[in-house]
Amino acid sequence: ETVMTQSPATLSVSPGERATLSCRASQSISSNLAWYQQKPGQAPRLLIFAASTRATGIPARFSGSGSGTQFTLTISSLQSEDFAIYYCQQYNNWPLWTFGQGTKVEIK
Amino acid sequence: QVQLVQSGAEVKKPGASVKVSCKTSGYTFNNYYMHWVRQAPGQGLEWMAIINPRDGSPTYAPRFQGRVTMARDTSTNTVYMEVTSLTSEDTAVYYCAVGAPPGDYFEYWGQGALVTVSS
Repeated sequence: ETVMTQSPATLSVSPGERATLSCRASQSISSNLAWYQQKPGQAPRLLIFAASTRATGIPARFSGSGSGTQFTLTISSLQSEDFAIYYCQQYNNWPLWTFGQGTKVEIK
Repeated sequence: QVQLVQSGAEVKKPGASVKVSCKTSGYTFNNYYMHWVRQAPGQGLEWMAIINPRDGSPTYAPRFQGRVTMARDTSTNTVYMEVTSLTSEDTAVYYCAVGAPPGDYFEYWGQGALVTVSS
């Protein structure tokens, strides 16, 4: 099983500031990594796939980078609607898709 | 547009079974593989199973093998998942999600169905 580890668990950021979230895989997953955003009471929403490609309709302030075992999601200027939990997911080593434990982005 | 509409909330007693459904629309059913993912209260996301829409063949995560059954109905473009021998640890929101091809990310998600297991 590929274990995904996210850091930090909680990130306190002021609106307009930059947020940087990390995700590490226990083995190489190439660029087969996705990021999802989840707000309270809602289903996850796909933000990024292939480590750095934004999904349809996702604003340009969201960007992803990395390959192999180390990945980053950056939100360049946090808006009020961006406060949520973010999960990374590997889809390289299937059929056992695995998620990180999530990073909560909260208002500072 | 792609829509995944799940069945409603369920309350079950320990030892019982639950069957949740996910009705799809807005795309060619055979073009997307469907997954089930669950989320216990306050916890993260856990992948459970996938089904091939063309032949209905499922694959389960090892920890759910033998206790989860996934099936599809091509006449209604609906996918079902049954979980047996429920315990309190199965209390969670169960999501269906689709991705194409099979080894891919999850592009669209259902709204989720809360299953509560309580005596």
